[in-house]
Amino acid sequence: AQSVAQPEDQVNVAEGNPLTVKCTYSVSGNPYLFWYVQYPNRGLQFLLKYITGDNLVKGSYGFEAEFNKSQTSFHLKKPSALVSDSALYFCAVRDMGGTGRRALTFGSGTRLQVQP
Amino acid sequence: NAGVTQTPKFQVLKTGQSMTLQCAQDMNHNSMYWYRQDPGMGLRLIYYSASEGTTDKGEVPNGYNVSRLNKREFSLRLESAAPSQTSVYFCASIQPGVGEQYFGPGTRLTVT
Repeated sequence: AQSVAQPEDQVNVAEGNPLTVKCTYSVSGNPYLFWYVQYPNRGLQFLLKYITGDNLVKGSYGFEAEFNKSQTSFHLKKPSALVSDSALYFCAVRDMGGTGRRALTFGSGTRLQVQP
Repeated sequence: NAGVTQTPKFQVLKTGQSMTLQCAQDMNHNSMYWYRQDPGMGLRLIYYSASEGTTDKGEVPNGYNVSRLNKREFSLRLESAAPSQTSVYFCASIQPGVGEQYFGPGTRLTVT
């Protein structure tokens, strides 16, 4: 069975500093990996995905993620954090089993707090 | 283009009551999903529908039923609500291929 781990419940960073939100995964075969963000009382918004190709993936709002196959990691990064980046972030891996399922397995989420 | 819509936004039920959560998408997606979100557990798949006319169980289907009414609509029914079903419920749909899932705004359900 596939799984995703987000080892930090919360990450605190000062505005203007770089941020990293960690994610590791376990799948059989090649992973399809995603990052989503959730603002308070809202649904999940797609940030970026890794399917194949370049290990550094760029996404929305200045976020990027680095895929590392040997470490089975897909960490989310941003060079300069904004207060408005404060939210709950989820890493997810696509279900590759079964015909047509294509559901996502989510990590437990990491709350990012950016202090002014 | 409204994307994925869900009704209601909030609901309070007493134990044993029933209700149906509605979901609709206007993106012509084949596959639709119901997830529940609980603190510290991320989102877990309840049921999914790979295409119109088909439904299958996810990780946590007990206590729920679903109906894929047509290509646009996918409803989730709680026949006899229990306090353990207090959660936030999200509907999602996906474009073909390796695209991302699109999520609705969620329904916050409290069962007392």
